[in-house]
Amino acid sequence: AQSVAQPEDQVNVAEGNPLTVKCTYSVSGNPYLFWYVQYPNRGLQFLLKYITGDNLVKGSYGFEAEFNKSQTSFHLKKPSALVSDSALYFCAVRDPWVPTRDSSYKLIFGSGTRLLVRP
Amino acid sequence: NAGVTQTPKFRVLKTGQSMTLLCAQDMNHEYMYWYRQDPGMGLRLIHYSVGEGTTAKGEVPDGYNVSRLKKQNFLLGLESAAPSQTSVYFCASSYSSQSLRGYTGELFFGEGSRLTVL
Repeated sequence: AQSVAQPEDQVNVAEGNPLTVKCTYSVSGNPYLFWYVQYPNRGLQFLLKYITGDNLVKGSYGFEAEFNKSQTSFHLKKPSALVSDSALYFCAVRDPWVPTRDSSYKLIFGSGTRLLVRP
Repeated sequence: NAGVTQTPKFRVLKTGQSMTLLCAQDMNHEYMYWYRQDPGMGLRLIHYSVGEGTTAKGEVPDGYNVSRLKKQNFLLGLESAAPSQTSVYFCASSYSSQSLRGYTGELFFGEGSRLTVL
């Protein structure tokens, strides 16, 4: 069965410092991996995805993520954190097979990591 | 372009009452989903739909029913609310591989509906 683990409930960083939010996954075959961000009282917004190709994926708002197949990880990174990056971040995984008419793009989400960037 | 709209945004129920959450999307998406979000548990899939008139169970379907009579709407019903159903509910939608070539499955979320069952 597919699963995603986010080992840190909260990550604290100072503005201007690099940040890393960790994610590990378990899935048979090659995974499709996603990061979403949730700002207070808002829905989830798509940040970036890894499907295939380069292990370093760039996404919205200056975020990037590094796919590491040997460590089954997909950590979210940003070189210089902003206070406005403070939010809840979710890693998600999807089975890579193309769904048939009776299936769907079901995502399995991690438990979320709260990022707090202090001024 | 409104995207995915959920109503109501907040609701307080007493145990045993019923209610319906409405999700509407204006992106002509084939697929729609209902998730619940609980602290420390991330998002869990309740039910989903791959097209008008079709629904299927997700990870935590018990106590909920859904209907997709129109392509743009996906309704989530609680027939007899229980305190364990206190949660934030998110609707999401997506294209299908048939409707968008090369589509890899990103979901578009509504802003959530906070439900409290007393």
